[in-house]
Amino acid sequence: AQSVTQLGSHVSVSEGALVLLRCNYSSSVPPYLFWYVQYPNQGLQLLLKYTSAATLVKGINGFEAEFKKSETSFHLTKPSAHMSDAAEYFCAVRAAAGNKLTFGGGTRVLVKP
Amino acid sequence: GAGVSQSPSNKVTEKGKDVELRCDPISGHTALYWYRQSLGQGLEFLIYFQGNSAPDKSGLPSDRFSAERTGGSVSTLTIQRTQQEDSAVYLCASEIDRGIQETQYFGPGTRLLVL
Repeated sequence: AQSVTQLGSHVSVSEGALVLLRCNYSSSVPPYLFWYVQYPNQGLQLLLKYTSAATLVKGINGFEAEFKKSETSFHLTKPSAHMSDAAEYFCAVRAAAGNKLTFGGGTRVLVKP
Repeated sequence: GAGVSQSPSNKVTEKGKDVELRCDPISGHTALYWYRQSLGQGLEFLIYFQGNSAPDKSGLPSDRFSAERTGGSVSTLTIQRTQQEDSAVYLCASEIDRGIQETQYFGPGTRLLVL
């Protein structure tokens, strides 16, 4: 079985400040990990994904995430928050032999001017 | 190119009625997924279609839920005798192949409200 835990259902950051969203996973096999973003009343959009090629993954909109096997983590960061980053972010895991995505509970980001 | 589309975008129904939700995947994508997003349960997998293989129905919450995919393209999710707890956003996603490294592309969802 696999599971994903996102610490903090809400995060508030100031414009220009670091964005750090935490994701820890549990998987019995080497996982594939994804971060998706959801803007209000829209579907999910892929930010980035880890597929074992490199532990530091760069995605769209200036986001990146680092896979740390020893910590079973895949935290998402962005050096400088922009107002347009206000959205909900979901971490997801996919087992090597499976197909469905298992999602974390999501973290809603508020960006203050 | 065109993304995944879903219809209707919003649906309000009365408890006990049946509803049908439609998903048009990206052309050429062989895999199609349905997920449900609700306040209490977060994002959860419902059902998965891959080509002509038997669907993975392991996520369907009850026998009131069913789905089909005709001609390997359009999919319809049917909820019979709707209950208030069925109120949620139903998301469809498609994928080009049955590969774990592939990306699932999501539609905008259908927001279902059961009164």
